[in-house]
Amino acid sequence: KAGVTQTPRYLIKTRGQQVTLSCSPISGHRSVSWYQQTPGQGLQFLFEYFSETQRNKGNFPGRFSGRQFSNSRSEMNVSTLELGDSALYLCASSIAGDGWETQYFGPGTRLLVL
Amino acid sequence: AQSVTQLDSHVSVSEGTPVLLRCNYSSSYSPSLFWYVQHPNKGLQLLLKYTSAATLVKGINGFEAEFKKSETSFHLTKPSAHMSDAAEYFCVHGGSQGNLIFGKGTKLSVKP
Repeated sequence: KAGVTQTPRYLIKTRGQQVTLSCSPISGHRSVSWYQQTPGQGLQFLFEYFSETQRNKGNFPGRFSGRQFSNSRSEMNVSTLELGDSALYLCASSIAGDGWETQYFGPGTRLLVL
Repeated sequence: AQSVTQLDSHVSVSEGTPVLLRCNYSSSYSPSLFWYVQHPNKGLQLLLKYTSAATLVKGINGFEAEFKKSETSFHLTKPSAHMSDAAEYFCVHGGSQGNLIFGKGTKLSVKP
C-alpha cells in the first residue's frame, strides 16, 4: 500500500497570505489528523477528521481550519499567516482514529513564513 | 488529562553500548503508548506500541519498551546502539479521537 502523501513538501509565504496543504491518507484509512511541529513547542495536535467531520480540535486559533473529502483526503488551511506559523505540518492517518490504533505519518510540509 | 514527560532532552551513547530513553506518563485510564522515531528531514516512524496485551513490547530495529504501571513509566531500550539510531525519539500517549499527545522528544546521539 502507498503511504501517506503530503503536498506540497515545501512552501514559502509572506505574512498575511493564506495557504492550503493537502494530505492523502493510506487507502482504507478514514481518520486524518494534523500536527504542527516547531522547535519551541514540539509536536502539537491541530485537528482530526473522520468521515468528513471534524471530531476533535487542538488549541489553535480559528485561522487554522481543515476539511475532509469523501475519499478521505484532507486539506488544512491557514489564513492570515503569521511568522510564528513557520513549522513542519504533519498529517497522519489511521483506520478509525481510535486511540489504540497506530497513526501513520506523512513526510510533512515545511512552511516558511517571511 | 493525559500527558507524557520525556526525562532527557538529549542522550549521547557510544556505538555498541546500551540505549535508555526515559518516559513517564500520566493518564486517568489504561493508556495506549507509543514510541516514534524521526530521522532528520524525515517523517515519524512507529517503533513500537503498548496496547495492554503484554508489558514488554518489542519493536523494530532491536528496540523494546517496558510498561510499568506502578512507576507510570514506558522507557525505551536497546542493548547495542548503532550509528543509524541517531535520531529524535518521541514518547506518545494515544488520545480518544485521533489526537496523539507527544512528549518533547529526546535527541539520541551515537558516537563512533
